[in-house]
Amino acid sequence: AQTVTQSQPEMSVQEAETVTLSCTYDTSESDYYLFWYKQPPSRQMILVIRQEAYKQQNATENRFSVNFQKAAKSFSLKISDSQLGDAAMYFCAYRSAINTDKLIFGTGTRLQVFP
Amino acid sequence: DTAVSQTPKYLVTQMGNDKSIKCEQNLGHDTMYWYKQDSKKFLKIMFSYNNKELIINETVPNRFSPKSPDKAHLNLHINSLELGDSAVYFCASSHLFDSSGANVLTFGAGSRLTVL
Repeated sequence: AQTVTQSQPEMSVQEAETVTLSCTYDTSESDYYLFWYKQPPSRQMILVIRQEAYKQQNATENRFSVNFQKAAKSFSLKISDSQLGDAAMYFCAYRSAINTDKLIFGTGTRLQVFP
Repeated sequence: DTAVSQTPKYLVTQMGNDKSIKCEQNLGHDTMYWYKQDSKKFLKIMFSYNNKELIINETVPNRFSPKSPDKAHLNLHINSLELGDSAVYFCASSHLFDSSGANVLTFGAGSRLTVL
């Protein structure tokens, strides 16, 4: 069974600085998708970025980018120019390309942003 | 014009009661899900329906019964509520297979259930 591990329960960053959130996963599959979701205090789960495992190029969405290391099964999220509104829980998630019916989440990292 | 809406947002009830949470999506997705987020924020899938057919039923007590009257609705009924059922329940939807392959989930805002 696939598992997703986020080893940082909490992280903090100064406004305008850069922070990296870690995620590792375990799978025997070669084709899959990885996601980062953000959950602010409003509780809404918001998709931040996604990565297809068959793509070597790291995904980027404005200030958010990932470092996808397939061999190491690592999928970290880099937030550049951090803003107060980035404060939230961040969840890494895995979805198989074969058994597409469920998303497996990590335990989350709480990000605090200080002015 | 909310994409995935669930009601109620908050629910406080006594042990032993029966309660329902409703979910509706207007995205034209064919698959809907219920996820449970516990007090430690861990999110775990409970059920998944594709075109009204149950496709995932994780090890969830029989007291939880999902119902999908059509593709756009997935309700969750919970019988004989217990203290441990207190959690935030998220509804989500997606295409089971979309052109990108990623089948991105869109989540509702969650329903916080508190059992006293």
